Amino acid sequence: DAGVTQSPTHLIKTRGQQVTLRCSPISGHKSVSWYQQVLGQGPQFIFQYYEKEERGRGNFPDRFSARQFPNYSSELNVNALLLGDSALYLCASSLVGDASYEQYFGPGTRLTVT
Amino acid sequence: SQKIEQNSEALNIQEGKTATLTCNYTNYSPAYLQWYRQDPGRGPVFLLLIRENEKEKRKERLKVTFDTTLKQSLFHITASQPADSATYLCALDRSYVGQNFVFGPGTRLSVLP
Repeated sequence: DAGVTQSPTHLIKTRGQQVTLRCSPISGHKSVSWYQQVLGQGPQFIFQYYEKEERGRGNFPDRFSARQFPNYSSELNVNALLLGDSALYLCASSLVGDASYEQYFGPGTRLTVT
Repeated sequence: SQKIEQNSEALNIQEGKTATLTCNYTNYSPAYLQWYRQDPGRGPVFLLLIRENEKEKRKERLKVTFDTTLKQSLFHITASQPADSATYLCALDRSYVGQNFVFGPGTRLSVLP
C-alpha cells in the first residue's frame, strides 16, 4: 500500500512569489495535517483538515491557506513568500481527525526562498 | 508560557546500552503523547502513543512512560543498536485547542559501535 506522497520534492522560489504544495494521504485516511519544519527544530503545526473541513489552524499568517479535496488529497498555498518561509513542509495523514490515532508523514517538500 | 523541552540536543551512547530520552512540558494538558523517529531529510515515523491514563507502554525494545503530574514523558530504547541513531521527537496532543499536535525540538541520538 502506498504511503503518503508529496509533490514536488524540492522547490526554489523568489521572494513575493506564490507556491502550491500537494499531498496525497494513505488510502482510507480522511485527515490531513500540514507542518513546517525548520532545520534543527521539530515540526510546527500549520493546518489540519478532516472530511474536507478545517479542523485546526496553527499560528501562521493568513498568507498560508489550505484545502482538502473530495478524494482527501490536500494542497497548501503560501502567498507573498518570505525568506523565512524556507523550510521542509510535511504532510501527515491519519485515519480520523483524532489525536488518539498515529500520523503517517510524507517525505516532505523542501522549499527554498531566495 | 508554553514550552516543550527534550533533553540535550544530542545524546551519545554505547551499543547495547539503554538510551533514555526525556520530554518535559509546561502549560499543556495533553490527553495523548506520541513519539516519532526522524532520519535526516525524511518525514517523522510514528513509534508509540501513550494516553494520559496510561503509565507505561511497550513495543519490542521501546518503552515510554507518561507522568502528567511531573509533566514528563520518558522514552527508552533497550539494547540499543547503531541503526537506532536518529532524531527522536515527542509530540503533545493539542486537539483541545484545535491545533492537532505540538512537537518538541527533538533529541539527536547516536549509538556508537
